[in-house]
Amino acid sequence: QSALTQPASVSGSPGQSITISCTGTSTDPGTYILVSWYRQHPGKAPQLIVYEVNKRPSGVSNRFSGSKSGHTASLTISGLQAADEADYYCCSFATTTPVFGTGTKVTVL
Amino acid sequence: QVQLVQSGSELKKPGASVKLSCKASGYTFTTYPMNWVRQAPGQGPEWMGWINTNSGNPTYAQGFKGRFVFSLDTSVSTANLQINSLQTEDTAVYYCVTKINYDLDYWGQGTLVTVSS
Repeated sequence: QSALTQPASVSGSPGQSITISCTGTSTDPGTYILVSWYRQHPGKAPQLIVYEVNKRPSGVSNRFSGSKSGHTASLTISGLQAADEADYYCCSFATTTPVFGTGTKVTVL
Repeated sequence: QVQLVQSGSELKKPGASVKLSCKASGYTFTTYPMNWVRQAPGQGPEWMGWINTNSGNPTYAQGFKGRFVFSLDTSVSTANLQINSLQTEDTAVYYCVTKINYDLDYWGQGTLVTVSS
């Protein structure tokens, strides 16, 4: 399975916007069409915050937005809040085997 | 509301077996497949496979064939994960996860399995 690479850490101040990238090695464009994003607070289960690149599940804040360009999917968090401090994982569902990204720790300064 | 409630933490010795459970409520259990995801300490999630809750047919990801067994008890809306011949590398949190509306949108709270002599 092609791996999905994320930056190990991203930080920002409250109110700022940050972007987390998710880059794959697959040449199949379909890999980046079915990308979801998960937020995980310490000791908790991951929570789905974006699916199919840029759609938000019911109840998820519109401060979270997803996009893609070429072989890279991205998650942008706007209006950064203390509660956004967590680990974030992308995941591709393009193949029969879902593949998670390496994870990004978001720190709110 | 949809809930997945998993069994409690386990401490096992290498070579032993363990069986984890995941009880679903709030939806018709046999309508949606159940996935299992492993997360080793300090690592990201890893998809282990899934089981068709209607037919009971399991599908295992590479790396999880042989010692890992998915099963069901549909009479109590429960999915099970058995791990045989436990190794220290199996120390992780194991999640059951289903897709009701979106991709892997409902997760259990996780079960910590610690393998240590």
